Amino acid sequence: DAKTTQPNSMESNEEEPVHLPCNHSTISGTDYIHWYRQLPSQGPEYVIHGLTSNVNNRMASLAIAEDRKSSTLILHRATLRDAAVYYCILRDFGRTGGFKTIFGAGTRLFVKA
Amino acid sequence: GAGVSQTPSNKVTEKGKYVELRCDPISGHTALYWYRQSLGQGPEFLIYFQGTGAADDSGLPNDRFFAVRPEGSVSTLKIQRTERGDSAVYLCASSLSPGLDTQYFGPGTRLTVL
Repeated sequence: DAKTTQPNSMESNEEEPVHLPCNHSTISGTDYIHWYRQLPSQGPEYVIHGLTSNVNNRMASLAIAEDRKSSTLILHRATLRDAAVYYCILRDFGRTGGFKTIFGAGTRLFVKA
Repeated sequence: GAGVSQTPSNKVTEKGKYVELRCDPISGHTALYWYRQSLGQGPEFLIYFQGTGAADDSGLPNDRFFAVRPEGSVSTLKIQRTERGDSAVYLCASSLSPGLDTQYFGPGTRLTVL
């Protein structure tokens, strides 16, 4: 399974944009890039995913490098509720049957008021 | 609608005992996943069900761990002869179908083995 590399932690001020990077230099052509986040004392929740093109939804934006070896999750205006651990995950749509999801340690985002 | 629920929310047991952890997935979701999360780590995959069958159990650490999903809905994770190293939060997730569908996670069961 292709691995991802993320910074251990990042800090942001409230109301400012946050750019969370992820490196995935061994990504394969059939890997989708997924982001989940985990708020304190909760299970992870889906944020966004993409394959090649940049993606936007109500929670965030995902910018994918042209060579797909890295991506950036963008929170346009961080709030205190965005303080969480953010996981960048690769999921292979080329597989049949099971789809084991490999989580790394993620990036812990601290948001200052 | 109702999300994924897990019971109990907390379980304290003694070393050597047997425990069962239950997961109720979102109604209609055919895929179900179990993960284990230790403090400061990301979730670690244990097993994945498609319907009633375990499609991938490669993450189960040893034969003390077993999971079932007899009717394709509720799943039970069973741990025999618990050890202190089994202490963790056990997370369950479900998705509408296998593959790339969004996984919806439950709140987890915190297992403490004394």
